[in-house]
Amino acid sequence: SQTIHQWPATLVQPVGSPLSLECTVEGTSNPNLYWYRQAAGRGLQLLFYSVGIGQISSEVPQNLSASRPQDRQFILSSKKLLLSDSGFYLCAWSGGPASPLHFGNGTRLTVT
Amino acid sequence: QKEVEQNSGPLSVPEGAIASLNCTYSDRGSQSFFWYRQYSGKSPELIMFIYSNGDKEDGRFTAQLNKASQYVSLLIRDSQPSDSATYLCAVEDAGNMLTFGGGTRLMVKP
Repeated sequence: SQTIHQWPATLVQPVGSPLSLECTVEGTSNPNLYWYRQAAGRGLQLLFYSVGIGQISSEVPQNLSASRPQDRQFILSSKKLLLSDSGFYLCAWSGGPASPLHFGNGTRLTVT
Repeated sequence: QKEVEQNSGPLSVPEGAIASLNCTYSDRGSQSFFWYRQYSGKSPELIMFIYSNGDKEDGRFTAQLNKASQYVSLLIRDSQPSDSATYLCAVEDAGNMLTFGGGTRLMVKP
């Protein structure tokens, strides 16, 4: 069966520090991968998605970036965090069109 | 801008009652529809998906889709306090992009 791992679960970082969140999927090949952010009490905002290695689409211009160095690995990064980057970051995968998204457990990021 | 609208709630129902959660969407070309449940502080988990007009039942859950009226609903029968959560509607458009509604918070009172 397919599983998705996301870490760390919680993170507290000072403003201006770098960020690296990692997500890996097991039990499937060539998944579509996604990074979402959910601000407190708000809906899900799509940040990036990828349909293959090295292929990244950005939905929202900001100081975050994403990379997919391997088929089942998706990384979210920032060189300098802002206070507004605080939120609940969710990695997700799907098998393609008309397939549901399956979410990881999320990373709660607090930028201080 | 493709929109998916949900009443934010809270929707309060007594234990054992039927909870009815509704969602409307703007893109007539949408093909796939999903319901997720999200407990506070946790990630969303898939409850059901529906592709065709009509009803789809899975245990205590029934998803209803009406493409002509552009709405999809989720019925929860015999609601339990453990069903208290935020329910997210998600709609996939013809370009295979998923748009989430803001969610409806459900409270089931013992």
